[in-house]
Amino acid sequence: AQTVTQSQPEMSVQEAETVTLSCTYDTSESDYYLFWYKQPPSRQMILVIRQEAYKQQNATENRFSVNFQKAAKSFSLKISDSQLGDAAMYFCAYRSGGITGTASKLTFGTGTRLQVTL
Amino acid sequence: KAGVTQTPRYLIKTRGQQVTLSCSPISGHRSVSWYQQTPGQGLQFLFEYFSETQRNKGNFPGRFSGRQFSNSRSEMNVSTLELGDSALYLCASSLRGAADTQYFGPGTRLTVL
Repeated sequence: AQTVTQSQPEMSVQEAETVTLSCTYDTSESDYYLFWYKQPPSRQMILVIRQEAYKQQNATENRFSVNFQKAAKSFSLKISDSQLGDAAMYFCAYRSGGITGTASKLTFGTGTRLQVTL
Repeated sequence: KAGVTQTPRYLIKTRGQQVTLSCSPISGHRSVSWYQQTPGQGLQFLFEYFSETQRNKGNFPGRFSGRQFSNSRSEMNVSTLELGDSALYLCASSLRGAADTQYFGPGTRLTVL
């Protein structure tokens, strides 16, 4: 079974600074997808970024980028120019890459609560 | 395009009762997945429906069931509620499941007294 580990329960960053959230995962599969989701106090889970394991290039979405190290099974999220609205719980998630039903399941880490200070 | 909607947003029930939660996916999405979020267990996968068929199931007791209608709307039912069923229940939809990204609804907060 796949597992996802987020070892930082809480992180803090000053506005306009850069912060990196860590995520490691364990899998024996070669085809999979990795995601970062953000859950603000409203509790709505919002997709931040997605990475396909077969792509060597790290995904980027505006101020958000990932450092995907497939051999090390590491998938960290970098937030640049942090804003107050970035304050939220961030979840790393894994999904199998197959086309069968089991591929629909997301396995989540325990989350990292990000505080953004002035 | 409207996002995933869930009703009701909040629910209070007592032990032993049953509850039904509803999820309407993004238009055109045929896969609906359900997750339970609790402080102790985190986010756990309940089940996934695609074209009215349950395609994948998590490790939950049989008290948790679901179904999907021909318009892709899905319902989740919990019978004989227990205190431990208090949680945020999140629904997510995707085009076909599998490799497609899941988009989440706002959740239903269930409190069991």
